[in-house]
Amino acid sequence: AQSVTQLGSHVSVSEGALVLLRCNYSSSVPPYLFWYVQYPNQGLQLLLKYTSAATLVKGINGFEAEFKKSETSFHLTKPSAHMSDAAEYFCAVSAAYSGGGADGLTFGKGTHLIIQP
Amino acid sequence: DAMVIQNPRYQVTQFGKPVTLSCSQTLNHNVMYWYQQKSSQAPKLLFHYYDKDFNNEADTPDNFQSRRPNTSFCFLDIRSPGLGDAAMYLCATSRGRGLMNTEAFFGQGTRLTVV
Repeated sequence: AQSVTQLGSHVSVSEGALVLLRCNYSSSVPPYLFWYVQYPNQGLQLLLKYTSAATLVKGINGFEAEFKKSETSFHLTKPSAHMSDAAEYFCAVSAAYSGGGADGLTFGKGTHLIIQP
Repeated sequence: DAMVIQNPRYQVTQFGKPVTLSCSQTLNHNVMYWYQQKSSQAPKLLFHYYDKDFNNEADTPDNFQSRRPNTSFCFLDIRSPGLGDAAMYLCATSRGRGLMNTEAFFGQGTRLTVV
């Protein structure tokens, strides 16, 4: 089975400061990893994905994440926070890569990002 | 342009009264998923269709059913909604499985209230 753990249910940063949202994964096979953002009463929007190509992945809205196998981590960062970044962020792992025919995404519990003016 | 469309965005239903949520897609993707997201929780996969092949998650209650009459549409039926079924229901699609499943596209969700 595959799973992801997001450290910190709430993260608060000042506008203009570095954003760091943590995600650690557990997988018996090389995973596909994703970060999604969810605004209130909205669906999920893909920020970026890791699919075993480059370990440093750049996404939309200035976000990026680095896959570190030695640390089983896939932390999300953004150099300078903007007020519009306030949202819920989910790390997810794809079960599809297990080769067992399973499908769908397994999500972490989410991190609520608060931007202080 | 919206690619995964869920209707309605907000649904209020009575306790025990059957309700159907709908999802349509313009992506021609093979796989369609239904997720349940309760307040302040992560989305949880209920089931998915790979083409016409239905795949139920082991812990999805029997109260939840799904239909996929064609590639574009998928429905979530809740036969007897309870108060605990109040949640956001998210529909998603992907091209396929395994190495083809590198991205899921989500709809805006339907927020279900049970009164």
